[in-house]
Amino acid sequence: GAVVSQHPSRVICKSGTSVKIECRSLDFQATTMFWYRQFPKQSLMLMATSNEGSKATYEQGVEKDKFLINHASLTLSTLTVTSAHPEDSSFYICSIEGRSYNEQFFGPGTRLTVL
Amino acid sequence: QKEVEQNSGPLSVPEGAIASLNCTYSDRVSQSFFWYRQYSGKSPELIMSIYSNGDKEDGRFTAQLNKASQYVSQLIRDSQPSDSATYLCAVNVFVGGNQFYFGTGTSLTVIP
Repeated sequence: GAVVSQHPSRVICKSGTSVKIECRSLDFQATTMFWYRQFPKQSLMLMATSNEGSKATYEQGVEKDKFLINHASLTLSTLTVTSAHPEDSSFYICSIEGRSYNEQFFGPGTRLTVL
Repeated sequence: QKEVEQNSGPLSVPEGAIASLNCTYSDRVSQSFFWYRQYSGKSPELIMSIYSNGDKEDGRFTAQLNKASQYVSQLIRDSQPSDSATYLCAVNVFVGGNQFYFGTGTSLTVIP
């Protein structure tokens, strides 16, 4: 498999602030990373596909100006939640595509709580 | 519309029994199929992948794929309390790039 890390694992912030979440591929270069959001007792919701060196592709209904994605290197993608509000509180998970069979490997997730 | 459907459960089985998890998908060009396990508060973990019709066994886990019926299942033999989790079915479709679709998951509880 692939090893993916995320930082921070948990963040609590005040409404109106911005929060940056990092996703790193630790053992190989990932040209494509995915960002998901998961609300309690719900399934994963794909937010965007992050492509190294180009703009991210956002899913319908996801505001690209609110959820800024930067994939500046083959091992790092960042998601910035701008002007966070309580409704943005969720579990944010990144994933990378495996080398061989198109499987996805997930990072440990970041739990965001906006007060 | 590409959809992956799972019974949300909850599914309860006694310890030592076989747990059967089912998934159907609607897109006939789906190519790769995956089962993920997600413990409460954690991210999904890949446990099985299958690409061709038939069975694939890995320890206590067996994945079964029937493309004609658009059906993929996961059997867990000798279920253990530690298997209690939500199991997500995922389907990969290649249309100019890989598109992943996840089911809503089936909650499994193994009763000691």
